Amino acid sequence: AQRVTQPEKLLSVFKGAPVELKCNYSYSGSPELFWYVQYSRQRLQLLLRHISRESIKGFTADLNKGETSFHLKKPFAQEEDSAMYYCALCPPNKLIFGTGTLLAVQP
Amino acid sequence: DGGITQSPKYLFRKEGQNVTLSCEQNLNHDAMYWYRQDPGQGLRLIYYSQIVNDFQKGDIAEGYSVSREKKESFPLTVTSAQKNPTAFYLCASIGDGREAFFGQGTRLTVV
Repeated sequence: AQRVTQPEKLLSVFKGAPVELKCNYSYSGSPELFWYVQYSRQRLQLLLRHISRESIKGFTADLNKGETSFHLKKPFAQEEDSAMYYCALCPPNKLIFGTGTLLAVQP
Repeated sequence: DGGITQSPKYLFRKEGQNVTLSCEQNLNHDAMYWYRQDPGQGLRLIYYSQIVNDFQKGDIAEGYSVSREKKESFPLTVTSAQKNPTAFYLCASIGDGREAFFGQGTRLTVV
C-alpha cells in the first residue's frame, strides 16, 4: 500500500527551539518525497523535495530508506514558520499526502 | 501570470443539487488533481487526470465526477450522491518537474 503517515497533528515549540516534523511512508519502489507548506491564508506550496537535498528557509529533510522516513528539521524555529506542513509521496502518476502537522511557534 | 485558478472561492449548495467547481491552469501541465481537505484528515485524493480525455478515481471518488476535455481545464462536479460534501476543495497540477501547483481552493457549504 502507498501511504504517508504524519503522527503529530500539532507541534508547539518556542521561538529558537529545534523543530522536527515526522513523516513515514509506505512504498515498495524508489520513493520521491516532498514537503509542502500552507501558511495562513496562502496557497499550499512546495517547501522542499528530497531529490534536491537543499535547505529552504533553514529547513532540511533527509530520506532514510531503512526507516522509511523523511522527517523535516530546523535547528532554530522562527515565529514565521508557523503553518501547516504536509509530507507527500509521489509514485508514478499520483501524489499522496499525509494528514499534516500544524506547527505553532510561540514567542 | 501563470498558475491555477479555482472558482468560485465560496459555494453554497442546497441538499439534492449538483454543483460544479472550476479549475483552470495555464502552466501547460498534463497532470491535474482534485483533493478534499478536511480538518485532521489532510488532503484526500478525489480524482486525477494524467492526460486529456482520461481520468482515474482517487481514494474518495464516490459522489463526485470529473471531465478532462481540455488540457487547461479539470472541473469537478459534486453530485447529490455525495453524503457529506461540505469541505474545502483543492485543485493541483503537476508538470515535468514533479512539483505540484495548487489553486486557492473552493469552500463548499451545503445549506
